[in-house]
Amino acid sequence: DGGITQSPKYLFRKEGQNVTLSCEQNLNHDAMYWYRQDPGQGLRLIYYSQIVNDFQKGDIAEGYSVSREKKESFPLTVTSAQKNPTAFYLCASSPLGLAGGDEQFFGPGTRLTVL
Amino acid sequence: KQEVTQIPAALSVPEGENLVLNCSFTDSAIYNLQWFRQDPGKGLTSLLLIQSSQREQTSGRLNASLDKSSGRSTLYIAASQPGDSATYLCAVGRYNFNKFYFGSGTKLNVKP
Repeated sequence: DGGITQSPKYLFRKEGQNVTLSCEQNLNHDAMYWYRQDPGQGLRLIYYSQIVNDFQKGDIAEGYSVSREKKESFPLTVTSAQKNPTAFYLCASSPLGLAGGDEQFFGPGTRLTVL
Repeated sequence: KQEVTQIPAALSVPEGENLVLNCSFTDSAIYNLQWFRQDPGKGLTSLLLIQSSQREQTSGRLNASLDKSSGRSTLYIAASQPGDSATYLCAVGRYNFNKFYFGSGTKLNVKP
């Protein structure tokens, strides 16, 4: 089955640690996205990538980093510089990327908790 | 900047009722609008996608309309069922820029 996988489902981080969230898609989509969701709020864009080896900051990129070395993979690192990282993280992809505004598909999410 | 608002934030209805969820946006220069469903602790499931040139889309008991000039979209759910209980989010795609703006959602509870 085609889709987007995220791992792990739950992640616990100690203060001062960097952690990496995995996102893989087998939909052959060009564009990939990372969002953060906090209770009672809409999704906020962290980073997005329209093609391999290229990515752009979203609205809340501070304290996060990404890479896009392969079309199917878009890992997100939450660094120790992110002061309030406890949230639900969602990865998404869309087919056309540069065409602008096409349909998005989401993974199941990773819940990150800072201990 | 595009602002997306969903009202009400929560809605509780008896089973079988027809209902309307609202989504409003401030900038009419949108590329498309997408409605999603989110179950607790889960990712988003796409329900309907409306391109900017379209006025509505239908899928089963769901119908979504789009009025760009007034900055509004509605999601109509016919004959609601307890399985429809979830949070419904809308997202607008910005024209010529691959970025989406999300509302904070409407949490729907359909009572048996």
